[in-house]
Amino acid sequence: GAVVSQHPSRVICKSGTSVKIECRSLDFQATTMFWYRQFPKKSLMLMATSNEGSKATYEQGVEKDKFLINHASLTLSTLTVTSAHPEDSSFYICSARVGGTGELFFGEGSRLTVL
Amino acid sequence: GQNIDQPTEMTATEGAIVQINCTYQTSGFNGLFWYQQHAGEAPTFLSYNVLDGLEEKGRFSSFLSRSKGYSYLLLKELQMKDSASYLCAAPFYNQGGKLIFGQGTELSVKP
Repeated sequence: GAVVSQHPSRVICKSGTSVKIECRSLDFQATTMFWYRQFPKKSLMLMATSNEGSKATYEQGVEKDKFLINHASLTLSTLTVTSAHPEDSSFYICSARVGGTGELFFGEGSRLTVL
Repeated sequence: GQNIDQPTEMTATEGAIVQINCTYQTSGFNGLFWYQQHAGEAPTFLSYNVLDGLEEKGRFSSFLSRSKGYSYLLLKELQMKDSASYLCAAPFYNQGGKLIFGQGTELSVKP
């Protein structure tokens, strides 16, 4: 099946620094990717839809300047958590779909810990 | 609006059958997904129902009733490794194809 790869799988950073997470579609082109956030024992919360070559579409309540999304190519989307704070510590997961409908494939997830 | 509801937790015994329900109210309907997620891992696809009825895949089956806004995931011959979170989700293809998840059902399988 289609593969989505995410990097890094774990990152620890100091408060105030920025962290970039990469999401790649390995064997298909993804014009659209999705970024989710998940707190412990909670469900996946959609943060934004990443659109190749254009601005991301953010869900209500998600700070655009805090969570910068760039989708510069058909196989790569990046999420940058700017000026990270401890409350940004979470599990971030990206996903993409082959074609317009059907199954959504997920990356392995990135666990961010902000000290 | 979008509203997807599932029970938060369920417990079942190894070898038994368990049914995890999901009710939804969405603006437009494009099918319903079920995913399984083990702690600390990404979700994995289980099923996608677009039409009414039961779809069986080995020990897992998924049912959909569009008129009732209702779906369930049926797990048979439960194994310890089935302990996980089960998430139902609705796609919105008119909004870039995003997938909105219910809160997930944490299933614990006991010996």
